[in-house]
Amino acid sequence: DTGVSQNPRHKITKRGQNVTFRCDPISEHNRLYWYRQTLGQGPEFLTYFQNEAQLEKSRLLSDRFSAERPKGSFSTLEIQRTEQGDSAMYLCASSLTEGRYEQYFGPGTRLTVT
Amino acid sequence: DAKTTQPPSMDCAEGRAANLPCNHSTISGNEYVYWYRQIHSQGPQYIIHGLKNNETNEMASLIITEDRKSSTLILPHATLRDTAVYYCIVRVVPDYGQNFVFGPGTRLSVLP
Repeated sequence: DTGVSQNPRHKITKRGQNVTFRCDPISEHNRLYWYRQTLGQGPEFLTYFQNEAQLEKSRLLSDRFSAERPKGSFSTLEIQRTEQGDSAMYLCASSLTEGRYEQYFGPGTRLTVT
Repeated sequence: DAKTTQPPSMDCAEGRAANLPCNHSTISGNEYVYWYRQIHSQGPQYIIHGLKNNETNEMASLIITEDRKSSTLILPHATLRDTAVYYCIVRVVPDYGQNFVFGPGTRLSVLP
């Protein structure tokens, strides 16, 4: 399967713990996006990378959130000191910088903070 | 905020055409209309996009009005597997990395 992959698919953690999610984009895609989706809502943009550079961050991305894409391939999203409000589906997407510009989404990581 | 409005839900009989409307009355000249869908517990899936001409691919057809203020996604022969939330999004192309702004979408239920 050459699509976008995300790990883990599900994560349950206790409030105050740190969690890290991984996204592997489609191999030739140089753009990578993170979104968050809560129940009944559409995905909301968090941040995006072009190659290894993080070019935009949403106001939703508080200081407890950090994302990296160290070699311009896979990316990680870390949430420190998790809160119950962080419970959501975290989606990763990738795209090219030319052509149709559509984003291809992974299956998401569902985070539950207890 | 999303620049589109869609009905919150629609039903369609299996085998019939599903016509999903979208209003984007403030669309600018360089903004394309994209459609995605999200089947339960999966990531959004790209369906189709267009600027001003009607478009068709193996999944659907996109009809954009002449004034570009609204569009309709057509699934010609809906199946139960087309039950999903459908999102209509407008976006500048080239995008320079612009993210997609999703609204709540239309929940399409295909009924047997």
